[in-house]
Amino acid sequence: QQQVKQSPQSLIVQKGGISIINCAYENTAFDYFPWYQQFPGKGPALLIAIRPDVSEKKEGRFTISFNKSAKQFSLHIMDSQPGDSATYFCAASSRRALTFGSGTRLQVQP
Amino acid sequence: GAGVSQSPSNKVTEKGKDVELRCDPISGHTALYWYRQRLGQGLEFLIYFQGNSAPDKSGLPSDRFSAERTGESVSTLTIQRTQQEDSAVYLCASSPTALYEKLFFGSGTQLSVL
Repeated sequence: QQQVKQSPQSLIVQKGGISIINCAYENTAFDYFPWYQQFPGKGPALLIAIRPDVSEKKEGRFTISFNKSAKQFSLHIMDSQPGDSATYFCAASSRRALTFGSGTRLQVQP
Repeated sequence: GAGVSQSPSNKVTEKGKDVELRCDPISGHTALYWYRQRLGQGLEFLIYFQGNSAPDKSGLPSDRFSAERTGESVSTLTIQRTQQEDSAVYLCASSPTALYEKLFFGSGTQLSVL
């Protein structure tokens, strides 16, 4: 059973545009929602994370929006740059190992 | 300081053979995780070690898969009688405490079963 659903599978954005990736979860026990960024040939690296007691968290150009009632959260990348081209994974956890979404391959065109 | 180190980086094996994958976590990290990443897919949890506690093996897909960890150091993931569907990148991650807030991943072992 897929507990974290991620969309879209792939995304192409022009430089300077906004990239938006969405995730939905089913398990109401989840209490931690990170986003990981993965470049080819590398392991994923933590980008930004949020807990359900806040609706938004911003770090630089990256923002997580969280909707607890809808059980959805999203990553917004403002002023997207070619260096942001990577695969992005949302994840969720309830005090055990993270459950990851299926990933979004982002390509930012110059 | 060194990050999470995994070896080998690539492994090609024949169907039916056993393979052993190694993970060296960041020194001092008490938690260690193994994940599997099939081509174009997300990360699939396999097993979790935390200190001297019994490991969480709930993600292991079959009894052909096993893992060990010596104290808070090296871990090995063993796959017996490999099958073609075992082909994937096997990722190891460690974190500094029992909390899962930030996982530090290695670059993975690309396993190809012919």
